[in-house]
Amino acid sequence: GAVVSQHPSWVICKSGTSVKIECRSLDFQATTMFWYRQFPKQSLMLMATSNEGSKATYEQGVEKDKFLINHASLTLSTLTVTSAHPEDSSFYICSTPRTSGSLGEQFFGPGTRLTVL
Amino acid sequence: GQQVMQIPQYQHVQEGEDFTTYCNSSTTLSNIQWYKQRPGGHPVFLIQLVKSGEVKKQKRLTFQFGEAKKNSSLHITATQTTDVGTYFCAGGTGANNLFFGTGTRLTVIP
Repeated sequence: GAVVSQHPSWVICKSGTSVKIECRSLDFQATTMFWYRQFPKQSLMLMATSNEGSKATYEQGVEKDKFLINHASLTLSTLTVTSAHPEDSSFYICSTPRTSGSLGEQFFGPGTRLTVL
Repeated sequence: GQQVMQIPQYQHVQEGEDFTTYCNSSTTLSNIQWYKQRPGGHPVFLIQLVKSGEVKKQKRLTFQFGEAKKNSSLHITATQTTDVGTYFCAGGTGANNLFFGTGTRLTVIP
């Protein structure tokens, strides 16, 4: 069964609004959560790494004030796309390592497809 | 910066034919992982290789990690329609993150 849930699975919003995406680990503690963005027919691009109780680390070129990440508990990490614009339309997906603190097997959430009108 | 390239970008094969995708990193990797993503789905872990020159098999799938730990390959023998999807390699570095390859989209023609 799924070990990482993601909500919502899809969202359509107007330009200028903010959208919150939640990733929850089920039955285990996710110390680290990776957030990716995937454009159609492209690879997964790492946006940021969040660690429970500390500030997220953003990859180069990713605006931290636009993509707010919160990892307040060991089972929940959230990504908020603030003031979304059509170019933010993408597939957002989270993952967490099977073994905490390692870079081994990743459990991925089912993803959130965001469409900004 | 870190780059992980995969070739080919697309591959169409007749069912029963073999398929290989190659992964190349610009830097030495600590490990390489392979994932499969079905259309509309999320990546699903297939395997991890850690040792230089390592070869692992899973039924019809053979995974290899290069001696220099900068390249890897995935070979599928006698493809089936269930093999359809995009195969990604993901390289682990000394830093705490994974860099995904550009992916190879496999289409199997019945």
